[in-house]
Amino acid sequence: EIVMTQSPVTLSVSPGERVTLSCRASQSVSINLAWFQQKPGQAPRLLIYGASTRATGIPARFSGSGSGTEFTLTISSLQSEDFAIYYCQQYNNWPPWTFGQGTKVETK
Amino acid sequence: EVQLMESGGGLVQPGGSLRLSCAASGFSFSSFALTWVRQAPDKGLEWVSTISGPGAVTFYADSVKGRFTISRDNSTNRLYLQLTSLRAEDTAIYFCAKEGVYGQYESWGQGTRVTVSS
Repeated sequence: EIVMTQSPVTLSVSPGERVTLSCRASQSVSINLAWFQQKPGQAPRLLIYGASTRATGIPARFSGSGSGTEFTLTISSLQSEDFAIYYCQQYNNWPPWTFGQGTKVETK
Repeated sequence: EVQLMESGGGLVQPGGSLRLSCAASGFSFSSFALTWVRQAPDKGLEWVSTISGPGAVTFYADSVKGRFTISRDNSTNRLYLQLTSLRAEDTAIYFCAKEGVYGQYESWGQGTRVTVSS
């Protein structure tokens, strides 16, 4: 089973700041890596797939990079609506499909 | 527009059973794999089960293997998850998700809550 590890667990930021979230896989997942955003009481929303492809309707301030075992989600200028929990997930080696434990982006 | 709507959750005693349903619309239902993902209270996301488009191939997490059964009805555009021998640790919100062409979970339902408690 591939273990996905996200860091940091919590990130305290102010609107307008640049935010960088990390995700590490225990073995290579190529570029088969997705990022999701989840707000309280809501379903997860796909932001990025293929490590760097924005999903339909996702603003350009969200970008993804990386391959193999190291991945990054960047929010270029954090908006108030971006406070949420972010999960990475690999879909390269399955089953099981595995998620990271999440990074909570909260207001400073 | 892709729409997924779960139903069937509720309160059930340990050892009990429940059948979850996910009604789908807005896409060619039989062409896409579908997945159940769950989220325990204040916890992260956990993959539970996946079924192929035609329904012939299924996968289960070790934590539910032998207790849960995934199925689909391609004539009515519905996905199911039969939960049996339920345990307290199965308490969670259960989401259905549609896979995209590359395997990403591109659309999600709003979830249905399952509570296992005496």
